[in-house]
Amino acid sequence: GAVVSQHPSRVICKSGTSVKIECRSLDFQATTMFWYRQFPKKSLMLMATSNEGSKATYEQGVEKDKFLINHASLTLSTLTVTSAHPEDSSFYICSASQGGLSSYEQYFGPGTRLTVT
Amino acid sequence: AQSVTQPDIHITVSEGASLELRCNYSYGATPYLFWYVQSPGQGLQLLLKYFSGDTLVQGIKGFEAEFKRSQSSFNLRKPSVHWSDAAEYFCAVGNAGNMLTFGGGTRLMVKP
Repeated sequence: GAVVSQHPSRVICKSGTSVKIECRSLDFQATTMFWYRQFPKKSLMLMATSNEGSKATYEQGVEKDKFLINHASLTLSTLTVTSAHPEDSSFYICSASQGGLSSYEQYFGPGTRLTVT
Repeated sequence: AQSVTQPDIHITVSEGASLELRCNYSYGATPYLFWYVQSPGQGLQLLLKYFSGDTLVQGIKGFEAEFKRSQSSFNLRKPSVHWSDAAEYFCAVGNAGNMLTFGGGTRLMVKP
């Protein structure tokens, strides 16, 4: 149980275009979803937290107009990288939390490798 | 603010040897502690977690961790390492706001 998927697993896009990454909780309802960014050989950096039906809360230094997050349902959150640039190339990982007694545990997706050329 | 320190960036052990990965945290209240493992190009897999109760926690793949409040530590151990354990290991602390703070990670390499 508690499986989280991400799509696509890899994407290559040209500079200036936008890319959407989907994060789905497959067998549970996720009241909260998180988006992380991971640079090579580095730890995970939290970008934003989103609750279903609410606006995402962005961490300091993360451009909300560049990284658009939508959490339209209890099983789906999307991250759209707008007007992507090579410096946006990274590994993006989402996680989902069920809430309630399990709210302290996050279930992670397999990640999406974004390369901007 | 909460923080997590993993003092060892890289660790190399021989297959069959014991392993201990260190994790120290800073958090004002009772911490919720996690260990995750990440294989190259993959997401994170939960190894074990501590919320309350017994301070020695058993996880998957033969791993265990011990919560020591007096030392603010949550070290991960395994009595006999397998080559398939080579990966990146992350310690994390969670708060009541459901947010995780990760340590910098420890890369484990296993010698045959």
